[in-house]
Amino acid sequence: AQTVTQSQPEMSVQEAETVTLSCTYDTSESDYYLFWYKQPPSRQMILVIRQEAYKQQNATENRFSVNFQKAAKSFSLKISDSQLGDAAMYFCAYRSFFSGYALNFGKGTSLLVTP
Amino acid sequence: SAVISQKPSRDICQRGTSLTIQCQVDSQVTMMFWYRQQPGQSLTLIATANQGSEATYESGFVIDKFPISRPNLTFSTLTVSNMSPEDSSIYLCSVETQAEKLFFGSGTQLSVL
Repeated sequence: AQTVTQSQPEMSVQEAETVTLSCTYDTSESDYYLFWYKQPPSRQMILVIRQEAYKQQNATENRFSVNFQKAAKSFSLKISDSQLGDAAMYFCAYRSFFSGYALNFGKGTSLLVTP
Repeated sequence: SAVISQKPSRDICQRGTSLTIQCQVDSQVTMMFWYRQQPGQSLTLIATANQGSEATYESGFVIDKFPISRPNLTFSTLTVSNMSPEDSSIYLCSVETQAEKLFFGSGTQLSVL
């Protein structure tokens, strides 16, 4: 089974600054999807960004971008111009392209944004 | 995107009872999923709810404990049966859109006394 590792249980960033959340994964597959989800205290899981492994170009959504390094099996999330509303748990997730539909989640990184 | 309505948002239940959680989507979707998030933990897939057939359960989850219904392409229910305190978790419904994006409901916070 694929494993997803988020090595930073907690991170802190000042408002308007940039922060990078790390994620590595283990797989023998060549095609797959990677996701970052945000979970604020409301419990809602919010899709932040999605990356297909066959695409070399890094996905970007407004202030959120990823650094996808397929050979290194690394998928970090960069949040630019951090806002107070970005404070949440961030989960990295892997999904196989061919075998099954489960999202394999990392343990999450708690992001604190300070004024 | 997809708008997902999940009910109830939270409940406190007695040991040995059952709770049914509903998930309603604003559009037809092929794939619906149920996840569990134990306190302070990440999410774990319970099962895939298939329309017109039995749900597909992940290892460690069984139909007798977590029966699932999927009567149409916009609705599913998950029942947590014969509850014990270990079932206290957040239960989340998820759907996959045609754009292959996965969206989640707001979750059901279940506490079992």
